Amino acid sequence: QVQLQESGPGLVKPSGTLSLSCTVSGGSLRNTHWWTWVRQPPGRGLEWIGEIYQSGYTNYNPSLKSRVAISIDKSNNQFSLNLSSVTAADTAVYYCARGVGGGNYFDYWGQGALVTVSS
Amino acid sequence: EIVMTQSPATLSVSPGERATLSCRASQSVNNNLAWYQHKPGQAPRLLVYGASTRATGVPSRFSGSGSGTEFTLTISSLQSEDFAVYHCQQHKNWPYTFGRGTKLEI
Repeated sequence: QVQLQESGPGLVKPSGTLSLSCTVSGGSLRNTHWWTWVRQPPGRGLEWIGEIYQSGYTNYNPSLKSRVAISIDKSNNQFSLNLSSVTAADTAVYYCARGVGGGNYFDYWGQGALVTVSS
Repeated sequence: EIVMTQSPATLSVSPGERATLSCRASQSVNNNLAWYQHKPGQAPRLLVYGASTRATGVPSRFSGSGSGTEFTLTISSLQSEDFAVYHCQQHKNWPYTFGRGTKLEI
């Protein structure tokens, strides 16, 4: 059974960088899947942030592209999210997920990590 | 980007009844539509992909239908564990986009 678990600071200061990691167990990041970040601001819908393939190839949401970077560490079975220049609008629950069907939909998710942007 | 609109925002139904949830896309996504069930504090669960294909382990009371811009998730006989928020997602084009969810309540 594949499991994903997000980890990282729950509080980030405005203008700082949000950094989260996702540890994958029960499966390998070397497999043919896309590894994805999704977020849900309070009271709003889910928003796709971006994805990374085992080769390191990435796709990002154009609305966040200038601030986001996703990386992969296959030796530790982790992938990570960095979001720079954060504001209160980036306060959200952040989920990592595994993309299938060419990365298009998501069959395994983490439970989510709440990140609050506040001074 | 493709905008996904779900209706209603909240649906009140009794256990044993049938629930019908709707999702509309701002442009055609063919059959590239997924549905997720989401309970508070839990990971979202994939229910349906390709508009009508149930994911592994999903009970047969969940069924997806539709194509193009109009989609439906039907739960034929609601069980207590089905009360949750349901999200639709188009998986045709980047950026992948979700609806704002339908809360299914007792």
